[in-house]
Amino acid sequence: GAVVSQHPSWVICKSGTSVKIECRSLDFQATTMFWYRQFPKQSLMLMATSNEGSKATYEQGVEKDKFLINHASLTLSTLTVTSAHPEDSSFYICSARKPGTGPTYEQYFGPGTRLTVT
Amino acid sequence: AQSVAQPEDQVNVAEGNPLTVKCTYSVSGNPYLFWYVQYPNRGLQFLLKYITGDNLVKGSYGFEAEFNKSQTSFHLKKPSALVSDSALYFCAVRYSSASKIIFGSGTRLSIRP
Repeated sequence: GAVVSQHPSWVICKSGTSVKIECRSLDFQATTMFWYRQFPKQSLMLMATSNEGSKATYEQGVEKDKFLINHASLTLSTLTVTSAHPEDSSFYICSARKPGTGPTYEQYFGPGTRLTVT
Repeated sequence: AQSVAQPEDQVNVAEGNPLTVKCTYSVSGNPYLFWYVQYPNRGLQFLLKYITGDNLVKGSYGFEAEFNKSQTSFHLKKPSALVSDSALYFCAVRYSSASKIIFGSGTRLSIRP
């Protein structure tokens, strides 16, 4: 299967600061990447869909000015949590759509980034 | 509304016994159905998918799932559970090539030695 990496795997930051999370597709080019948020013992909630070279599409209720997404290349998407607060503490997971797999495309998931805001 | 349900928060099985993790989906066109597994503090790993064709789908690690259109179900099964199968399992559905994937609430599978 395809490989998606995330960096960092965990990060602790102070309230009010910003933190950037990187998502990379290592062995394929991904025109579309997805960002999810997962609270403890809960399912994944889609935050936004990131398309290379264009603006991200945010899900209802997700603040686009707080969660900045940049998909500048076919192998890299970044999520920046701006002015982080303790309630932003969560497990953030990215996934990438592998192109050329037609309508039955699969999403490959990164290992996740645990963000703790103190 | 498009949705997928996992009715069990937790499933407990003795090692060596068969296991079933349940999943049902709402009817809305032709669904693409997926199962993923998540180990602690890790991302999701793909297990198997149903797109079309044979209702019984075989996937990774000896898992399989049966698509049942009349019952709108896609239960995950394994004939003989291993302790290492203990993890969080997610069922997911997508209804068209462009729509987003929708995850179930997850079922924690615990295999006791």
